[in-house]
Amino acid sequence: DAKTTQPNSMESNEEEPVHLPCNHSTISGTDYIHWYRQLPSQGPEYVIHGLTSNVNNRMASLAIAEDRKSSTLILHRATLRDAAVYYCILRDVKGTYKYIFGTGTRLKVLA
Amino acid sequence: SAVISQKPSRDICQRGTSLTIQCQVDSQVTMMFWYRQQPGQSLTLIATANQGSEATYESGFVIDKFPISRPNLTFSTLTVSNMSPEDSSIYLCSVHSRTGGTDTQYFGPGTRLTVL
Repeated sequence: DAKTTQPNSMESNEEEPVHLPCNHSTISGTDYIHWYRQLPSQGPEYVIHGLTSNVNNRMASLAIAEDRKSSTLILHRATLRDAAVYYCILRDVKGTYKYIFGTGTRLKVLA
Repeated sequence: SAVISQKPSRDICQRGTSLTIQCQVDSQVTMMFWYRQQPGQSLTLIATANQGSEATYESGFVIDKFPISRPNLTFSTLTVSNMSPEDSSIYLCSVHSRTGGTDTQYFGPGTRLTVL
């Protein structure tokens, strides 16, 4: 399974945009990029995913580099409720549906 | 989406005993997974619970220590056997779901286990 690298922690001010980076230099052509987040004392929850093109949904945007070796999760206006650990995960569309979690980025939002 | 419940939500156990954790889903799902999250750490996949056959374990996890049952498409159990303090973790189950062409996993709230 291809691995991902994320910063251990980041801070943001409330109501400002947040850019969470993820490096996946060994990504294969059939790997989807998934982002999940884990709020305190909860199981992880789905945020967004993509393959090649940038993606938007109600929670966030996902910007994928042209060579697909990195991606960035964008929270347009961080709120205190966005404080969580954010995980970037690669899933091979040809493989099993299991996820291999990396260390994730702990996002702290300052009021 | 899928709603997942786990029982118990937390437990404190003595060394050498075993605990069985239950995972119930509100709809039929093909793929179920069990994860462990040690204090302050990320999630580590223990095994894939296969309906009607033996679970598929990841490297470092064995059936004797973590026996898994999957009697139907909505239920699974994970047993942590012969526990030691090193087994103190949060144990989470998850399910794969394909909704609107999107493959996602839904996670349960976790079971917090403390072994004394």
